[in-house]
Parts: sequence; C-alpha cells; structure tokens
Amino acid sequence: DAGITQSPRYKITETGRQVTLMCHQTWSHSYMFWYRQDLGHGLRLIYYSAAADITDKGEVPDGYVVSRSKTENFPLTLESATRSQTSVYFCASRAGLEQFFGPGTRLTVL
Amino acid sequence: QKEVEQNSGPLSVPEGAIASLNCTYSDRGSQSFFWYRQYSGKSPELIMFIYSNGDKEDGRFTAQLNKASQYVSLLIRDSQPSDSATYLCAVKRAPPEGYSTLTFGKGTMLLVSP
Repeated sequence: DAGITQSPRYKITETGRQVTLMCHQTWSHSYMFWYRQDLGHGLRLIYYSAAADITDKGEVPDGYVVSRSKTENFPLTLESATRSQTSVYFCASRAGLEQFFGPGTRLTVL
Repeated sequence: QKEVEQNSGPLSVPEGAIASLNCTYSDRGSQSFFWYRQYSGKSPELIMFIYSNGDKEDGRFTAQLNKASQYVSLLIRDSQPSDSATYLCAVKRAPPEGYSTLTFGKGTMLLVSP
C-alpha cells in the first residue's frame, strides 16, 4: 500500500537501551521529518532530511540520531534511552506544501 | 524563539454552530500557515493552508490570515460531532516551496456536542 508507515507501533524499553524507530514511505518524497508529541508541548521537530544523506537538527535533537541512506527510509535511533524520551513519535514526509504523517510510535521508557 | 500560540481549550460548541479557532505567531518572517486536525490517538492530517492576507474557504472550513496582527484563524461552519478533535496551527518561514520546517502550536481541542 502506498503511504508512510512506522514500526513498531508500540515499544516498551528500559533506560539505557538503544532503540530504533523505523519510518518508510512509498511516495519517494524528498523531505522527511521526525517529531515527538508530548502533553503540554505539542509537536516538536527532532530531525529532518531534505534528501538521502542530507539531515539536519530540529528543535529537540539531543539524544537522537538519524540516518537516511535511501530516500524511502528514515530511521530514528535513541542511543541510550531515557525516561524523558517517553513520547509518541511521528514520522512525516512532504510533497509541496503538505506534510503527510505516519501513524506514530508510542514509546515508553521504564 | 519562534512561537505559535493557541488556546488549549477545550472549545465546546453545539452541533450546527460556528467554531472559531485562533492562533498567533511571533515570527514576522512566517509566510505560510497551516491547520491540521488530529483525532485522539491518530496522526495529524492537513485541513488547509493559507499564505495571503484575507480569507480562504474550503467547504465548511475558512482560514483567515492577518499578517499585520500576526493572527490566523480557522472557522468551521455547521460544526458536526465528527469535527471533535484537536486542531493544530503550524507556520512556515520560507517561501511556500522553500527549504524549511513547520513550527506547530500546542493545539486547541474542539468538542462539538449533538
């Protein structure tokens, strides 16, 4: 199916563990984004990418790493998870003015 | 720091009424303005965008922009219970097709009662 998918949809991990959230889009959009959404903070940009091998920091990049070796994939890695990284993570891609969001990953760090 | 401010709500309106959602922004360089709708537990979806002063209508939705006052609003006419959701305002600095990102407000929850 065409669109943007995220995996896993739910994840529980422990403090200090490495976690990778996957994002895949089938449209070949150049731009891709990672956001986190928390109560009281709204949607905040973590990292974004304008094309394969081009990434840049957003508002809250600390503790996260991204890569983009292929246009369609944009994984987000938490190198050493902390409780403050408990959140809902949304991946998005952009075509023209419109951003299309994936279904989200709910991450809990214990 | 670029800020986008919205009243968190909830904004409660009866079915059939007009819902008015407001958003202010601090960055005068903002040029494109977006309204997203987010149902509980779901991802945001674009309702409409506007980049010229004035009104833009799409069905029951009207976006209004006043750059001098740094104010953008969304009107929903004939509100339906299915409109109950959180509405996110977002702004973009560069020209519409530019290399830039969106800054989101925290959202306003709208509740439409039957």
